[in-house]
Amino acid sequence: GQSLEQPSEVTAVEGAIVQINCTYQTSGFYGLSWYQQHDGGAPTFLSYNGLDGLEETGRFSSFLSRSDSYGYLLLQELQMKDSASYFCAVPAGGQNFVFGPGTRLSVLP
Amino acid sequence: ETGVTQTPRHLVMGMTNKKSLKCEQHLGHNAMYWYKQSAKKPLELMFVYSLEERVENNSVPSRFSPECPNSSHLFLHLHTLQPEDSALYLCASSLGTGDTDTQYFGPGTRLTVL
Repeated sequence: GQSLEQPSEVTAVEGAIVQINCTYQTSGFYGLSWYQQHDGGAPTFLSYNGLDGLEETGRFSSFLSRSDSYGYLLLQELQMKDSASYFCAVPAGGQNFVFGPGTRLSVLP
Repeated sequence: ETGVTQTPRHLVMGMTNKKSLKCEQHLGHNAMYWYKQSAKKPLELMFVYSLEERVENNSVPSRFSPECPNSSHLFLHLHTLQPEDSALYLCASSLGTGDTDTQYFGPGTRLTVL
């Protein structure tokens, strides 16, 4: 089976840097994705890591270590609009897709 | 705008009602998905369609019945639902069903079953 773990909540102030961790257990591994979901909104794709290392997209970066079954999403220069829930997700083979429980990020002024 | 639309956005129904949720994607994608999002639970994949054929059904109760008449439209027919079925139902689409295909989500239908 597949399972992912994330912290349930993270709080930080504007301008700060925050890291959201994700550990996973999968029978096979095909990559780690990150999605953002604002309250009342749809999940939107942020990043995908298929190989070890850091992927950078503007203020957001995502990291993967396959040997540690671990990844993280790094958000820099936090803004109020970054307050949202963040989900890691893994393809689980056979068109299946498993999401983590989500981390609620609150950005304070 | 994500290119995936869902109607209705909110739905309240009794346990004996029959209703349908509609999803439409304008992205030229070949795969479509239904997810259920309950409070304080991870997104749960319900159904996957690829080129209008169902390829995944994650043991969803038969009171949920999907229909995919073409690659742009996806329906979820609901009948004799239970209060625990109250949740946000999200539709998504992707170009293919490969492991690297990004999924694009619609805004969801907030369903309340009384």
